[in-house]
Amino acid sequence: ETGVTQSPTHLIKTRGQQVTLRCSSQSGHNTVSWYQQALGQGPQFIFQYYREEENGRGNFPPRFSGLQFPNYSSELNVNALELDDSALYLCASSLALLTSGGFDEQFFGPGTRLTVL
Amino acid sequence: GENVEQHPSTLSVQEGDSAVIKCTYSDSASNYFPWYKQELGKRPQLIIDIRSNVGEKKDQRIAVTLNKTAKHFSLHITETQPEDSAVYFCAAGNDMRFGAGTRLTVKP
Repeated sequence: ETGVTQSPTHLIKTRGQQVTLRCSSQSGHNTVSWYQQALGQGPQFIFQYYREEENGRGNFPPRFSGLQFPNYSSELNVNALELDDSALYLCASSLALLTSGGFDEQFFGPGTRLTVL
Repeated sequence: GENVEQHPSTLSVQEGDSAVIKCTYSDSASNYFPWYKQELGKRPQLIIDIRSNVGEKKDQRIAVTLNKTAKHFSLHITETQPEDSAVYFCAAGNDMRFGAGTRLTVKP
C-alpha cells in the first residue's frame, strides 16, 4: 500500500451541510491532487495543490475548496452539500519534477466515501 | 486543460488472449502518461507509465506505447489471466486528467 492516508473513511451528511476531508501525502511528496469518483465512473479531477498553492482546477463549482499545509497535507472542503456530491473522494500525492516540466507518478490514498442524504 | 478519451468502455477476452486499450489526449504539452488498475472497492493502482521521450515501455505482460504525433497511447496486456479483470484508467496532462475507464473481463 502507498503512504497516503485519508480521513475519515466514511461520512454521512445531509443536504446543505459542509464537510472537510483530509489527506496526508506520502513522505517527500509536495503535490496533492483531489478527485471525485462517482460509482461506476472514472476519477474526476477537482484541483491540485503544489507547495500550498492551487495549481489547476477541474470543472467543479467554487463550493469545492481546498488547502495545502506546510507539511504538504491537504484538506478538501465542500459547502452546501448536494445529493450528487455522494461519491468516493480520492487524494493522490506526487513529487513535482519542475525541471522536467512534468509530474512524477501519483500514489492514491484509500479514499473517503461520502454519502449525502 | 487536457481532454482524455478512452476506448473501449468494456472489453471481454478469453484467458491467454491479449487485451488492448487505447487513449487519446488533446494537450500536446502533456508528457507523462500513466495507466491505473482499479479493483472493486479499492484505490487506483499504477501499473505502468510512460514519458514522452520514449515510444514504448514493457513490464512483463504489460506494455504501453505512445504516439505523440497522433496524441494517443495504448495499454497492451498479453497472456491475460482472470486476475487481470478490473477497471483500467489512463491519464494524461500535468494535472492527471483520467479517461472514463475500461472494464476488462478475462474469462477462464
